[in-house]
Amino acid sequence: EADIYQTPRYLVIGTGKKITLECSQTMGHDKMYWYQQDPGMELHLIHYSYGVNSTEKGDLSSESTVSRIRTEHFPLTLESARPSHTSQYLCASSELMGGPNPDTQYFGPGTRLTVL
Amino acid sequence: GESVGLHLPTLSVQEGDNSIINCAYSNSASDYFIWYKQESGKGPQFIIDIRSNMDKRQGQRVTVLLNKTVKHLSLQIAATQPGDSAVYFCAENEQMNTGFQKLVFGTGTRLLVSP
Repeated sequence: EADIYQTPRYLVIGTGKKITLECSQTMGHDKMYWYQQDPGMELHLIHYSYGVNSTEKGDLSSESTVSRIRTEHFPLTLESARPSHTSQYLCASSELMGGPNPDTQYFGPGTRLTVL
Repeated sequence: GESVGLHLPTLSVQEGDNSIINCAYSNSASDYFIWYKQESGKGPQFIIDIRSNMDKRQGQRVTVLLNKTVKHLSLQIAATQPGDSAVYFCAENEQMNTGFQKLVFGTGTRLLVSP
């Protein structure tokens, strides 16, 4: 069982609001990821991090930003939410290369965001 | 670019039957593959993985088969149970030049298990 947590699980918010989606893991993993997933569709990588103070953009362009000040915490922020941001956001983590399972990503339960 | 796709969007089986979920991949350089199970309202859950130096790997009630010749991956679930109903994703690991490992996901197959 992976120890990775996301809050809130569900969020309904109005256009123009600033939101932060929280993600934390207690496994000591160096690498963390954010994916965006529409219902029944594949996952698209939007951000990732190698470790503290490392953040990179993923394959799918996103207006969100991330930060990695602590190993266990990888929050995602939308400065001004829009209806096009409505989606499910999934956080994941994995061990840094060199560990016994460097490639397996463990996912949190997700945050379902609805922007009205 | 590379893609990972699934042959069947929905698979319906009877409880107790064996299920086979198929996946095609296009990047012959991929060396790691993962199957995830995603139940409604939850994040993907790791099921089983396989590296490219293997053809078969078994877990508890699940077996993954890798055919590198035709770039095909399958997940076999023995004695399928109602709790196995979910969307199953295969994912292909791609190593970027920076050393970062990313997962390329397919669109998923929904498995429906009826009693």
